[in-house]
Amino acid sequence: KAGVTQTPRYLIKTRGQQVTLSCSPISGHRSVSWYQQTPGQGLQFLFEYFSETQRNKGNFPGRFSGRQFSNSRSEMNVSTLELGDSALYLCASSLGTGSNEQFFGPGTRLTVL
Amino acid sequence: KNEVEQSPQNLTAQEGEFITINCSYSVGISALHWLQQHPGGGIVSLFMLSSGKKKHGRLIATINIQEKHSSLHITASHPRDSAVYICAVRITGNQFYFGTGTSLTVIP
Repeated sequence: KAGVTQTPRYLIKTRGQQVTLSCSPISGHRSVSWYQQTPGQGLQFLFEYFSETQRNKGNFPGRFSGRQFSNSRSEMNVSTLELGDSALYLCASSLGTGSNEQFFGPGTRLTVL
Repeated sequence: KNEVEQSPQNLTAQEGEFITINCSYSVGISALHWLQQHPGGGIVSLFMLSSGKKKHGRLIATINIQEKHSSLHITASHPRDSAVYICAVRITGNQFYFGTGTSLTVIP
């Protein structure tokens, strides 16, 4: 079974631009969660989608948004990029929400110049 | 204020040593996870705990719900165990708070 895939793996943008990251979960998994990892703040929860609905949201500004499609693939979007958005963005999938093991993708490393 | 505290932040051990990483949390949780992150970013889930103790190979994880504390032990450590170990507590759904991680280096 293929693991969680994320595209692109690396991305360079400039301040003010917007970016869309993609995550394809393991086949059969219906929950996708997104996380941001920075050297200063560590790992932080962004949001979780389950069956195309946002279930939980972390403490991030509205510039960070996401969605999930009927095939469980998920995208996250960051608008009006700031230097501080430079980070490793990880997604993780699980069968359901709340009680299952999560499987992480390799991450997308975003650099904002 | 951090909801999840890990110690130590950095740890260097000789191959074969017994290693313990501690995690304390201050919020109500439904489960606690131990994660391993290798250089390059890939994260692997090692354990998911809601009570008691779990063992997988040379790794043992314990949790004390009353004391809000968990430990990850590595027996007979090996250089391939070198990684960052992260404690994560599940609040609701798949919403987590994370510790800052323990960077482990095992020297041959």
